[in-house]
Amino acid sequence: AQSVTQLDSQVPVFEEAPVELRCNYSSSVSVYLFWYVQYPNQGLQLLLKYLSGSTLVKGINGFEAEFNKSQTSFHLRKPSVHISDTAEYFCAVSEWRDDKIIFGKGTRLHILP
Amino acid sequence: DAGVTQSPTHLIKTRGQQVTLRCSPKSGHDTVSWYQQALGQGPQFIFQYYEEEERQRGNFPDRFSGHQFPNYSSELNVNALLLGDSALYLCASSTLGQGQQETQYFGPGTRLLVL
Repeated sequence: AQSVTQLDSQVPVFEEAPVELRCNYSSSVSVYLFWYVQYPNQGLQLLLKYLSGSTLVKGINGFEAEFNKSQTSFHLRKPSVHISDTAEYFCAVSEWRDDKIIFGKGTRLHILP
Repeated sequence: DAGVTQSPTHLIKTRGQQVTLRCSPKSGHDTVSWYQQALGQGPQFIFQYYEEEERQRGNFPDRFSGHQFPNYSSELNVNALLLGDSALYLCASSTLGQGQQETQYFGPGTRLLVL
């Protein structure tokens, strides 16, 4: 069965510093990978997705993620964070021909002034 | 484009009652999925509807049921509410993929509190 592990429940980082949010997944078949962001009291917004092709995926708001099949990881990165990036970030996976999305428990990003 | 809309935004019920949540998909989308997000957790898949049929279901009891209408809008019904049903219920719409994952667009959710 597929699963997603987000290794950090909270990540504090100073404004304008780089950040990496870690995500590992498990699945026995080909997968699609996603990062979603949830701002306070709002629904989920897609940041980026990996379906196939280049392992480096660029998303909105300056975020990017790298798919590493051998390490079954899909870490999210941003070179310089802003106070507006304060939110909960969810890594998610779905299997080929399966529309069901499995989410991790989330990582809360705290931006320190 | 209004995006995915959900109603109501908040709801308070007591144990044993029944509740109906509503979702209108993004324009052009024909598939609706429902997720439950408990406090401090990631969303969990409840079920997905396409062509007015339940196409896929997650690990939720039969107390959770749904419906999709000809205009693609959807309802989520929960019977015999338990305290543990308190959560944010998210609706996501998409077009049915042809072997490739289509992006699911999420609504703002309905926050349900069961007392």
